[in-house]
Amino acid sequence: QVQLQESGPGLVKPSETLSLTCAVSGASIRSGYWSWIRQPPGKGLEWLGYIYYSGNTNYNPSLTSRVTLSEDTSKNQFSLNLNSVTAADTAVYYCARARVDGVVDYWGQGILVTVSS
Amino acid sequence: DIQMTQSPSTLSASVGDRVTITCRASQTISSWLAWYQQKPGKAPNLLIYKTSNLETGVPSRFSGSGSGTEFTLTISSLQPDDFATYYCQQYNGYFPYSFGQGTKLE
Repeated sequence: QVQLQESGPGLVKPSETLSLTCAVSGASIRSGYWSWIRQPPGKGLEWLGYIYYSGNTNYNPSLTSRVTLSEDTSKNQFSLNLNSVTAADTAVYYCARARVDGVVDYWGQGILVTVSS
Repeated sequence: DIQMTQSPSTLSASVGDRVTITCRASQTISSWLAWYQQKPGKAPNLLIYKTSNLETGVPSRFSGSGSGTEFTLTISSLQPDDFATYYCQQYNGYFPYSFGQGTKLE
């Protein structure tokens, strides 16, 4: 069974960088499309980007200038960095695995990140 | 980017009802449409992919149909566990793959 677990700070100050890590068990991150998807409180889902095939990335154009995904295959985990955050970046952040066609079949439990001074 | 619009935003129903949720895409997405169920405080859960294919373990009372720009999710006989928010998601071609705004079934 594939399991994903997000970790990182729950509070980030405006203009700083949001950094989260996703630990994966039950599958190798060397295959699949490892994603970050967020959900502002009471709102819908936004796919931030994904990393695949040993370091290739694809980002949502609305966030390209601020988002970076990376991976550590030795630890079987991948990470999200989102810089210059504002209150609009307050959301539950999910790490997830997508199939090659773009369907998300496994999700982490999510982590609430609040941007506030 | 492809915009996904769900209707209704909220749907009131009772156990045993047959319910239908509609999802419209701003341009054709062929059959590249998935449906997810989300309960409060939980991550979404995949129900249906490629318009009408049931994910393993999903009850057969869930079904999906459509093509092009208009799609539906139907629950044939609503069960207590089905009260949740439902999202459609397109995954046609180029990223970003986008979600609808959600339909809350209450």
